[in-house]
Amino acid sequence: GAVVSQHPSWVICKSGTSVKIECRSLDFQATTMFWYRQFPKQSLMLMATSNEGSKATYEQGVEKDKFLINHASLTLSTLTVTSAHPEDSSFYICSARGQDSYEQYFGPGTRLTVT
Amino acid sequence: DQQVKQNSPSLSVQEGRISILNCDYTNSMFDYFLWYKKYPAEGPTFLISISSIKDKNEDGRFTVFLNKSAKHLSLHIVPSQPGDSAVYFCAASAHPPMDSNYQLIWGAGTKLIIKP
Repeated sequence: GAVVSQHPSWVICKSGTSVKIECRSLDFQATTMFWYRQFPKQSLMLMATSNEGSKATYEQGVEKDKFLINHASLTLSTLTVTSAHPEDSSFYICSARGQDSYEQYFGPGTRLTVT
Repeated sequence: DQQVKQNSPSLSVQEGRISILNCDYTNSMFDYFLWYKKYPAEGPTFLISISSIKDKNEDGRFTVFLNKSAKHLSLHIVPSQPGDSAVYFCAASAHPPMDSNYQLIWGAGTKLIIKP
């Protein structure tokens, strides 16, 4: 089956620093990748959608200059949280979808703690 | 190797009947299980969860059953309504949500279609 990995699984950073989270599709080509943020009631909020080689499409209310998304290849997308603040502390999940496929495969998530 | 499996890609159920969505897992360390519902172009919405100390959790029309010995959980929706048509994902974790090691291992999803 299709596997999506995320790295790191857990990261602590200081306020004001930047942190990069990687999302990889291990056994398929992901033409589209999605980034989600999990909130305390456990639902996932879609932050942005990225298509390989194109700029990401951000959902309303998500700061594109703060959450930089790069989808440079068919197997890798990165989310960089710039100038992190404690309120950015959350659980970030990516998912990936192959070309001509409606199925989405989710990564295991990355716990970000900003101190 | 998929640790969480939803073997039915799709399921069609008559409105008013019971929908049963199944999920199997292989990792005996999983301690916490969640069901999410997802509409197209939206993020998954949390439905219901269960921890391994229970074998049943009920919330309105939704009931989740956990059979630890069989490493199997199921989501029952009764009665099924047209608005229940969506993709349902089960997910499992070996750690509780606020633990730093919390990770969700996801099934591939089951598309539920409720027929009027």
